[in-house]
Amino acid sequence: KQEVTQIPAALSVPEGENLVLNCSFTDSAIYNLQWFRQDPGKGLTSLLLIQSSQREQTSGRLNASLDKSSGRSTLYIAASQPGDSATYLCAVRRRGSQGNLIFGKGTKLSVKP
Amino acid sequence: DVKVTQSSRYLVKRTGEKVFLECVQDMDHENMFWYRQDPGLGLRLIYFSYDVKMKEKGDIPEGYSVSREKKERFSLILESASTNQTSMYLCASSSDRGGNYGYTFGSGTRLTVV
Repeated sequence: KQEVTQIPAALSVPEGENLVLNCSFTDSAIYNLQWFRQDPGKGLTSLLLIQSSQREQTSGRLNASLDKSSGRSTLYIAASQPGDSATYLCAVRRRGSQGNLIFGKGTKLSVKP
Repeated sequence: DVKVTQSSRYLVKRTGEKVFLECVQDMDHENMFWYRQDPGLGLRLIYFSYDVKMKEKGDIPEGYSVSREKKERFSLILESASTNQTSMYLCASSSDRGGNYGYTFGSGTRLTVV
């Protein structure tokens, strides 16, 4: 059974710091991995999608990497800003499924001015 | 951009009521999903559908049903609402065409059952 773990559960950093959020999954037979952002009381906003054949994806100050063999992904945020404060969720899509995503429980990020 | 619209942001219903949560997407996606999100439990899949009139149970289907009469609309039905169904409900859609298999989520419906 696929399980997705995100560590740490919460993180507080000063503004301007570069930071890394971690995601691990138990079954390497994935179709893709997606990182989302969720603001309090809101829905999920997709940040980056990495296909199983890819190693990384970049969007602005965000860079996500994928190492399928070790079951790990990282989300790197450069020069963090208070507006980056949110919960970040990682999800994997299993191979052979109809598209069902399995989510981690998220990392709650707080960037202090 | 794909848009997934959930009809209500907040709902308050009484125990025993029949509740309908509506979700509409505008990009002709074939796959649609309903999740609920609870503190400490994360997101859990209730039901999904990969075509009109098709439905599949997710991890926690008990107490729920769904309807997909048109491709763009996926409804979640609470047959007889109970207090343990108080939660944030999130709808999502995706497509397996064109090489982009990411999900797009709606803004969520916060349901309180009293």
